[in-house]
Amino acid sequence: SAVISQKPSRDICQRGTSLTIQCQVDSQVTMMFWYRQQPGQSLTLIATANQGSEATYESGFVIDKFPISRPNLTFSTLTVSNMSPEDSSIYLCSAVPPQETQYFGPGTRLLVL
Amino acid sequence: KQEVTQIPAALSVPEGENLVLNCSFTDSAIYNLQWFRQDPGKGLTSLLLIQSSQREQTSGRLNASLDKSSGRSTLYIAASQPGDSATYLCAVYPLTGGGNKLTFGTGTQLKVEL
Repeated sequence: SAVISQKPSRDICQRGTSLTIQCQVDSQVTMMFWYRQQPGQSLTLIATANQGSEATYESGFVIDKFPISRPNLTFSTLTVSNMSPEDSSIYLCSAVPPQETQYFGPGTRLLVL
Repeated sequence: KQEVTQIPAALSVPEGENLVLNCSFTDSAIYNLQWFRQDPGKGLTSLLLIQSSQREQTSGRLNASLDKSSGRSTLYIAASQPGDSATYLCAVYPLTGGGNKLTFGTGTQLKVEL
């Protein structure tokens, strides 16, 4: 199993600013992902966070807007850059321990004014 | 592109009732299917994982079935309780091209009333 924590749990930000969300896993994991859940909608995969290399982004998401770091096997960050109200969402990270299913963090609730 | 749909979008039932949540997916080339529960302000909790070779999985009052050929899965909740109130999400793992990249359904918001 894996226990995942995220910081911050929630934030209110002004448009044009950036926010970095941290994801910490209590054990080494093979894969880490970042998802977005817009109000009233389901989860959409933003990118795969690759350890030691650039993240792999899904269609519609770009590195300039959502830079991601993964310096080791237990930690990743997602930055939401130059925010607008449309970025108001819950951002969740997930992790896959070796030979296990996917676990999710509690999410970061972001409101952009 | 895989699309996952859940019906109904919302459901309200009295306590003790048995209920069925539906999930359908457009591409039957899936590896696994997983049901999650999401509580307000919290992350996702995995309920059941059905591997593509399986037809159903059971955990306590929950039973999930999978029919890959028809692109459908159901989650059966027996003797519902107010504590079951949450949003239920199904998600599929692709067979190829990134086995852990989940595609989520639209969710069913369940409310169990006293």
